Amino acid sequence: GDSVTQMEGPVTLSEEAFLTINCTYTATGYPSLFWYVQYPGEGLQLLLKATKADDKGSNKGFEATYRKETTSFHLEKGSVQVSDSAVYFCALSSTGNQFYFGTGTSLTVIP
Amino acid sequence: NAGVMQNPRHLVRRRGQEARLRCSPMKGHSHVYWYRQLPEEGLKFMVYLQKENIIDESGMPKERFSAEFPKEGPSILRIQQVVRGDSAAYFCASSPPPGAKNIQYFGAGTRLSVL
Repeated sequence: GDSVTQMEGPVTLSEEAFLTINCTYTATGYPSLFWYVQYPGEGLQLLLKATKADDKGSNKGFEATYRKETTSFHLEKGSVQVSDSAVYFCALSSTGNQFYFGTGTSLTVIP
Repeated sequence: NAGVMQNPRHLVRRRGQEARLRCSPMKGHSHVYWYRQLPEEGLKFMVYLQKENIIDESGMPKERFSAEFPKEGPSILRIQQVVRGDSAAYFCASSPPPGAKNIQYFGAGTRLSVL
């Protein structure tokens, strides 16, 4: 069945450091891929998405490229800020009915 | 344009009591999804509903849990005779009619604590 494997955390970075959070997936079809962010005490917010191979999703300086050959959707940001501290979830959906989430990666950015 | 509204935000119950969690989808959305997030884990799908219909309940525990989405009013996730293991954050999401490219919009969640 469909599943998502996400890099375990927690991750602690200094401000302006480069961020990579790895995500790989298993799917029977051609899923859409998503990154959601969860700030403390809040629900999930969509950060970016990609719907087909080689698409690049981007938002707020974050990027992720849908790599079919490596079944990956790694999240990157060139220079993190303290306000980026949150939990990041990789997710996929093949049908739109059900989303499969990774276990989440907690990011803390220190000044 | 209000987002997905969940209430209450926090709910405390003693073992054996009932918990009722409410979710009002975004305006114009007729599809609702419930997810459970256990501590230190990702979200796990529970159930997918349209108005007056359960479409997919493959993630629902077989006992004590039920969900509905009536013609009028919010969707309700009901947990009877709660146990400590039910303590979790329960998230609702909504979408327009789903397709592979659709997005689910999430509420802020209800954090259930069972004493």
